Amino acid sequence: DGGITQSPKYLFRKEGQNVTLSCEQNLNHDAMYWYRQDPGQGLRLIYYSQIVNDFQKGDIAEGYSVSREKKESFPLTVTSAQKNPTAFYLCASSPPGTADTQYFGPGTRLTVL
Amino acid sequence: RKEVEQDPGPFNVPEGATVAFNCTYSNSASQSFFWYRQDCRKEPKLLMSVYSSGNEDGRFTAQLNRASQYISLLIRDSKLSDSATYLCVVSHSGGYQKVTFGTGTKLQVIP
Repeated sequence: DGGITQSPKYLFRKEGQNVTLSCEQNLNHDAMYWYRQDPGQGLRLIYYSQIVNDFQKGDIAEGYSVSREKKESFPLTVTSAQKNPTAFYLCASSPPGTADTQYFGPGTRLTVL
Repeated sequence: RKEVEQDPGPFNVPEGATVAFNCTYSNSASQSFFWYRQDCRKEPKLLMSVYSSGNEDGRFTAQLNRASQYISLLIRDSKLSDSATYLCVVSHSGGYQKVTFGTGTKLQVIP
């Protein structure tokens, strides 16, 4: 089955620790995205990548880092510099030629204690 | 003003009722419009695209009003399974195709 997987579903970390969230897709999509969702707010774009070995900052990139070494994978690292990391993190990908039809993974709920 | 605005609700409606949501957008250059559905603690999923001429998919009808800069979603004969949050999504080109998600409107269909 084609799709996007994110792991883990729930993640707990102590304040000051870096943590990496996994995102893998087998849809053969070039573009991939990371969003965070907080209660009462829409999805906010953290980083996006339109092609392997290239990525761009989104609206709220501070405190986050990404890599795109393979087409299928777009991991997100939440660093200790992120002031308020507790959130629901969603990874998405989109077919070639369009960014507005996005397919989402099941999300990772990160809680920093 | 937010780029995309939605009434957060909740809209509590009885089964079988017709309910409509609106979503306003501020950028007149916006080109593409969508409705996504998000169940509680789940990921958003594309519900339908919104075309200038309006489009219908079963019990769901989406419309676009460019003059007043809003899109709407109408759900007829509401089912319990329609209970979810409905996200309005607007995109326009600008370097890369910028996609903006609304905060969502929560619908609760009551037996």
